[in-house]
Amino acid sequence: DIVMTQSPDSLAVSLGERATINCKSSQSILYSSNNRNYLAWYQQKPGQPPKLLIYWASTRESGVPDRFSGSGSGTDFTLTITSLQAEDVAVYYCQQYYATPPYTFGQGTKLEI
Amino acid sequence: EVQLVESGGGLVQPGGSLKLSCAASGFTFSDSDMHWVRQASGKGLEWVGRITKKANNYATAYAASVKDRFTISRDDSKNTAYLQMNSPKIEDTAVYYCVTPLIVPAGAFNIWGQGTMVTVSP
Repeated sequence: DIVMTQSPDSLAVSLGERATINCKSSQSILYSSNNRNYLAWYQQKPGQPPKLLIYWASTRESGVPDRFSGSGSGTDFTLTITSLQAEDVAVYYCQQYYATPPYTFGQGTKLEI
Repeated sequence: EVQLVESGGGLVQPGGSLKLSCAASGFTFSDSDMHWVRQASGKGLEWVGRITKKANNYATAYAASVKDRFTISRDDSKNTAYLQMNSPKIEDTAVYYCVTPLIVPAGAFNIWGQGTMVTVSP
C-alpha cells in the first residue's frame, strides 16, 4: 500500500499570510501514460465531512476559492493557501488514488490562526 | 440537490452485527461507484471499501482491516448502498461516511454524506 505522509502535523499562520502543507507518497503517484498525478486534497472543518479541494494534484474542484492551489509531482506535493482567511481553519488531508484499492490518506494537518 | 444520507449507526457489541444504509438522491446512482470512509474520534480518514457500478460488475474491494468482516452491497432500484458490519471490533468505532465521486476522477471523493456514528462496546 502507498503510505501518505503529511508535514507538519499542525501549523499556525496569521490572517492574510500564506500557509503551506506538504504531502509525500511512499512511491510515485504519477501515471506516465497521461502525465497525471493521482492526488487529492481535502479540507475538514469540525463537525463536518471532508470537502474535496483539489484533484489531479493541482485542479481545483468547482467552487473552491483560487487562494487554494496544489503543486508537485511524483512523490512530493504541496497545498498552498495564500492570504489565509479565518474560515480556512480546518484539518487538511492529502489522498492518493493511483494504486487502489486501498485509497490512502495522509494523517492530516491541523491549520490554525 | 445531490445528497447522500447515512443511517443505521448506533451501539453494537463486539462480535455482533450492524447494517448501515446510504440513501442517494440528485444524481444517477446506478452510474456511480460507492465508497465508505470512516473516521475515529479525533483521528484521520480511513477508506473502508467500495462497490462499483453495474457496468463494472458490482465489484467490491475492502481495506485489510475490515476484509472478511464487512460487506458492501447496493440496491440500484432503491438508490441505496449498504455496509454490513459483522463481528465488529472496538477499533471499528468511528463515524462512517458514504462517499462517491461525481464528475471528478474516480478516486477523488467530492460527494460525502454527513456520516453515521458507530460505537462498538460491550
